Amino acid sequence: GAVVSQHPSRVICKSGTSVKIECRSLDFQATTMFWYRQFPKQSLMLMATSNEGSKATYEQGVEKDKFLINHASLTLSTLTVTSAHPEDSSFYICSARAPSGGHPSTDTQYFGPGTRLTVL
Amino acid sequence: LAKTTQPISMDSYEGQEVNITCSHNNIATNDYITWYQQFPSQGPRFIIQGYKTKVTNEVASLFIPADRKSSTLSLPRVSLSDTAVYYCLVVRGYSSASKIIFGSGTRLSIRP
Repeated sequence: GAVVSQHPSRVICKSGTSVKIECRSLDFQATTMFWYRQFPKQSLMLMATSNEGSKATYEQGVEKDKFLINHASLTLSTLTVTSAHPEDSSFYICSARAPSGGHPSTDTQYFGPGTRLTVL
Repeated sequence: LAKTTQPISMDSYEGQEVNITCSHNNIATNDYITWYQQFPSQGPRFIIQGYKTKVTNEVASLFIPADRKSSTLSLPRVSLSDTAVYYCLVVRGYSSASKIIFGSGTRLSIRP
């Protein structure tokens, strides 16, 4: 199947600093990528939809000025957590849909391995 | 998007067949059903996807009745490594921008 990578896999930073997480589709192009956040023992929560060449679409309750998303190319989306605080510590996961043809359209969404962010 | 409901947790033993049922009463014509598996501190991994009737791959089978209001993921002869959270998702077809909303998932525990 298609491969989505994330970098870094884990990051520890001080409160008040900004952290950038990269999400790449390695063997396919993705006009749309998605960013999720997951707290321990909870399900994934969709944060935003990243659109190549345009602004991201944020879910209700997600601060767009705090979580900056840039979809610079068809294979790269970045999430920057600005002025991070301990409550931003979480597991961040990106995904992208890869076309697979068939009827009905059966694009499959593939997920990255996740990035563990710890803010001290 | 149709909301999904699945058991919070299930227990089974090695070598058994495990069936996890998911209900999605408001599924639309263009929607299809996808199941993911997630291990701790990893991203979800695609298991299987289907629209109707039965789909089988090397990992699992997916049974979808004619009304498509429910689906059952079948894992044959589970092992300890199948202990994970399993998510049933309804995904809108024909749209690469269609987002996926995760429910609570089913935490499957396999015992020796």
